[in-house]
Amino acid sequence: EAGVAQSPRYKIIEKRQSVAFWCNPISGHATLYWYQQILGQGPKLLIQFQNNGVVDDSQLPKDRFSAERLKGVDSTLKIQPAKLEDSAVYLCASSAHPGGFRDTEAFFGQGTRLTVV
Amino acid sequence: GESVGLHLPTLSVQEGDNSIINCAYSNSASDYFIWYKQESGKGPQFIIDIRSNMDKRQGQRVTVLLNKTVKHLSLQIAATQPGDSAVYFCAENNYGQNFVFGPGTRLSVLP
Repeated sequence: EAGVAQSPRYKIIEKRQSVAFWCNPISGHATLYWYQQILGQGPKLLIQFQNNGVVDDSQLPKDRFSAERLKGVDSTLKIQPAKLEDSAVYLCASSAHPGGFRDTEAFFGQGTRLTVV
Repeated sequence: GESVGLHLPTLSVQEGDNSIINCAYSNSASDYFIWYKQESGKGPQFIIDIRSNMDKRQGQRVTVLLNKTVKHLSLQIAATQPGDSAVYFCAENNYGQNFVFGPGTRLSVLP
């Protein structure tokens, strides 16, 4: 079974530039998550989608971050403009059911490492 | 210990010894917990879970212990192998809310 695919693996940008990350979840997985993992910390949820609808975006800094999952499959996460403190690994995860981590296993991609200079 | 930025707590063990990784969780209402393993350059990988109606659960070479009185989880790895070297996270959940990950512990297996 193919896993969660993310691209790019690495990205270096200057502050105030924009950047986009892409995620392709496991086929058939209705629930998709974006996490931010700052170096030395645990992942922090940014946004959760159920199909193409947003379930939880309470921790998404909406002044600069946006995410979409238009057809309920792939998703993109965008940052505009980027700040130095956005340097982190951005992880995408998917699960078959909205209970996600609790009711059924959630699978993570390898992440995109963003460095803002 | 508590991590601050880059300074993850680190546990170093000899290959073949048992490892015990500890986690203090914050929400007394949390009733479901997961341990994840994250190898360098990879996403977190599920290891084992436990519900609050249990105080112990065993998997293959791993055991999770839950002490709700002091809000403490531990992950025991038997006969630690080089492939166990990674950062280990606990995650807690209260039904209907999102999982909250702890800061992580780095396990280093010495030859």
